[in-house]
Amino acid sequence: GENVEQHPSTLSVQEGDSAVIKCTYSDSASNYFPWYKQELGKRPQLIIDIRSNVGEKKDQRIAVTLNKTAKHFSLHITETQPEDSAVYFCAASRGSQGNLIFGKGTKLSVKP
Amino acid sequence: DAGITQSPRYKITETGRQVTLMCHQTWSHSYMFWYRQDLGHGLRLIYYSAAADITDKGEVPDGYVVSRSKTENFPLTLESATRSQTSVYFCASSESRGLEGYTFGSGTRLTVV
Repeated sequence: GENVEQHPSTLSVQEGDSAVIKCTYSDSASNYFPWYKQELGKRPQLIIDIRSNVGEKKDQRIAVTLNKTAKHFSLHITETQPEDSAVYFCAASRGSQGNLIFGKGTKLSVKP
Repeated sequence: DAGITQSPRYKITETGRQVTLMCHQTWSHSYMFWYRQDLGHGLRLIYYSAAADITDKGEVPDGYVVSRSKTENFPLTLESATRSQTSVYFCASSESRGLEGYTFGSGTRLTVV
């Protein structure tokens, strides 16, 4: 069935450095790819998303890229800050309109 | 975010007891979802609902029951709680299944002893 793999499971960077989290999906019909940020003890919150007709999307310090041919998408965070420390989840739609399937998460630690 | 609320925030129950987790949304979103979050497993879908009186199983439905008599409410019941159901449960809502992001409630931390 549909699967979303997320790497790495943990990531530690120095403040000001960039962070990249990668996800791969198996269903070529998937067409919606959101990213969520979950701070400790809080709910997951949508931070950025991308649809299959777009290759890249930016919002201030965060960006997402999508490679449909290779079936992978990535989250890029530039100029990281301590408040970026959280668990990040990627997700992909099951088929063109099905439920979101989530990756297992990446714990990002930004050291001051 | 205040448009989707879960209760209780924390719950401790004994093995074999029935427990119901509540979820209420004020946006009139068509879709509602229940996920459980466990370390190493991420977010796993238990059940979802496309509208009032329409529900369907997700990845891990065994031991759970849902109902949706009104669009705004989507309670999750553990009929006979087991220790393996100790988890953090998140309710979410959306206007679609896979065309836009889900908005999550603040979660219920359930401990089965």
